[in-house]
Amino acid sequence: LAKTTQPISMDSYEGQEVNITCSHNNIATNDYITWYQQFPSQGPRFIIQGYKTKVTNEVASLFIPADRKSSTLSLPRVSLSDTAVYYCLVGVDTGRRALTFGSGTRLQVQP
Amino acid sequence: DTAVSQTPKYLVTQMGNDKSIKCEQNLGHDTMYWYKQDSKKFLKIMFSYNNKELIINETVPNRFSPKSPDKAHLNLHINSLELGDSAVYFCASTQLHGDGGAEQYFGPGTRLTVT
Repeated sequence: LAKTTQPISMDSYEGQEVNITCSHNNIATNDYITWYQQFPSQGPRFIIQGYKTKVTNEVASLFIPADRKSSTLSLPRVSLSDTAVYYCLVGVDTGRRALTFGSGTRLQVQP
Repeated sequence: DTAVSQTPKYLVTQMGNDKSIKCEQNLGHDTMYWYKQDSKKFLKIMFSYNNKELIINETVPNRFSPKSPDKAHLNLHINSLELGDSAVYFCASTQLHGDGGAEQYFGPGTRLTVT
């Protein structure tokens, strides 16, 4: 399974764009890159998933360079409610091989 | 409508007891999981069930036994509870895609405290 490295914590202010980068140097050819968000006392929530280039949804964008050895989750104009832990996962969920949650990035948004 | 539900939300019990946590998903997914999140907030997968077949058992003590009466339910039974079992347990479900891309839907968690 590809090992992921992300910053332990980040601070931001409301209205700013936040970019969280995840390194995954040994990503395999078939691996997807998936990001989850977890608020205190809640289960993780799927944010976005991509394989290459750029993916955008109503919540975030995911930028993946050509070599796929890293990825960047971009949250536009964060608000206080975006304060959470963000997890980067790399792998293929076949049900036979589990994806691994790392330690995540704790994002603190301040007013 | 709650997609993935767990009961109970809180569970306080003494060492040596046997307890169960229930999980239900109404998404029609074919795969369900149990995760354990310890005090350091690391999420570790415990089990995976696909169409009622246990697929993953990640070095979990055999005191833990998943039971799936049907594909919408995956219950977790724990025998002889120990202090180290105290954690938050999350149930999740997914519909596996053929290409390996899939998103998991998590329940609200069950906080288990063993005294």
